[in-house]
Amino acid sequence: GAGVSQSPSNKVTEKGKDVELRCDPISGHTALYWYRQSLGQGLEFLIYFQGNSAPDKSGLPSDRFSAERTGGSVSTLTIQRTQQEDSAVYLCASSLQGVSNQPQHFGDGTRLSIL
Amino acid sequence: GNSVTQMEGPVTLSEEAFLTINCTYTATGYPSLFWYVQYPGEGLQLLLKATKADDKGSNKGFEATYRKETTSFHLEKGSVQVSDSAVYFCALSDITGGGNKLTFGTGTQLKVEL
Repeated sequence: GAGVSQSPSNKVTEKGKDVELRCDPISGHTALYWYRQSLGQGLEFLIYFQGNSAPDKSGLPSDRFSAERTGGSVSTLTIQRTQQEDSAVYLCASSLQGVSNQPQHFGDGTRLSIL
Repeated sequence: GNSVTQMEGPVTLSEEAFLTINCTYTATGYPSLFWYVQYPGEGLQLLLKATKADDKGSNKGFEATYRKETTSFHLEKGSVQVSDSAVYFCALSDITGGGNKLTFGTGTQLKVEL
């Protein structure tokens, strides 16, 4: 079946612009996660959605970052007023349920480059 | 808080050599443990998992055993192939440590040569 789908695969934008990254999780998966992969910081958790519960936003690095998940499915990560340090690969993952023994399945990521 | 420490890379091996990538963890509760692999130009793929002490996860000839007494989850393979060249990430998920997010190690790059 279809895996986690992310778009765009690559995004190049100028410093100060806003960007939106999209994630379409595996059908039926109730939990959705965003991570960031960068050379200096490795893989970092950003935000977690589970069903209709309030999201866990504890990993968002600043108030320029926000995310929403509409209808319990597709999620959008928005970065406002982008900075060069935002350059990274943004990964989305989903799991069947939000429990620790359920593996997370990752998309191929969006490579974001801030000029 | 939770943390994962894995051996520094890169690791370079000849084909058919034995592989060990060390991974140790710190967790406040009872974590599930995972190894993910990232092949060049691709996304993260789950390689194997173990959800409780003494469990052994295995896949594609790779194995790792959940050792609670040593807080370790070392990855092993008896005979590596060139196609195993990738970056390997050890990770844990611990609901008591603050949700279901994964905490990753820094990754270990493996290069297998003929």
